[in-house]
Amino acid sequence: DTGVSQDPRHKITKRGQNVTFRCDPISEHNRLYWYRQTLGQGPEFLTYFQNEAQLEKSRLLSDRFSAERPKGSFSTLEIQRTEQGDSAMYLCASSLGGGQSNYGYTFGSGTRLTVV
Amino acid sequence: AQSVTQLGSHVSVSEGALVLLRCNYSSSVPPYLFWYVQYPNQGLQLLLKYTTGATLVKGINGFEAEFKKSETSFHLTKPSAHMSDAAEYFCAVSAGSNTGKLIFGQGTTLQVKP
Repeated sequence: DTGVSQDPRHKITKRGQNVTFRCDPISEHNRLYWYRQTLGQGPEFLTYFQNEAQLEKSRLLSDRFSAERPKGSFSTLEIQRTEQGDSAMYLCASSLGGGQSNYGYTFGSGTRLTVV
Repeated sequence: AQSVTQLGSHVSVSEGALVLLRCNYSSSVPPYLFWYVQYPNQGLQLLLKYTTGATLVKGINGFEAEFKKSETSFHLTKPSAHMSDAAEYFCAVSAGSNTGKLIFGQGTTLQVKP
């Protein structure tokens, strides 16, 4: 078990470009979450999957954001037409869960996005 | 709706002193509560969690927290601070029993002075 992996660790992009991030969760975890963290703030929920189904999406997520988890394993988060306000750390986490269980997340190290 | 308030964005203690980081929550359902620690340029690491049962929970690195329903609090303590405890700490509440989504506080930066 190598934990939750995120790629890339850092991404610098020009405003208006598209970017895609990847997250590989712990293999036996059925839930996968994306959070965004800006400097000096706690993580803010973006979206989560249970297996391949996207069950909830935050209103923070504009139409420029899309996430997938096609086979219930890894996930991608794409941001189209990036804006400077998208600059943040994007965190992925995974957990076992279902019903009333919540065992806590395992977080990846994050992808730091800088839009210039 | 669930929310978390961490009192004090910065806390400074001397090495060997008691650490107390405060967290108050609001929840319309019985809460699951968590404390995470984040070191610079890293993801968050789970310190401890309360789901049901014993209200005093022990975590890693000598930290513990007590769930007090009457005070809607879940404060984090450690009897003796170590230099390696310097980091940012986040309290979080589960947003509901079926989602697994967590609502995080804004964080408290712990500084440990020699």
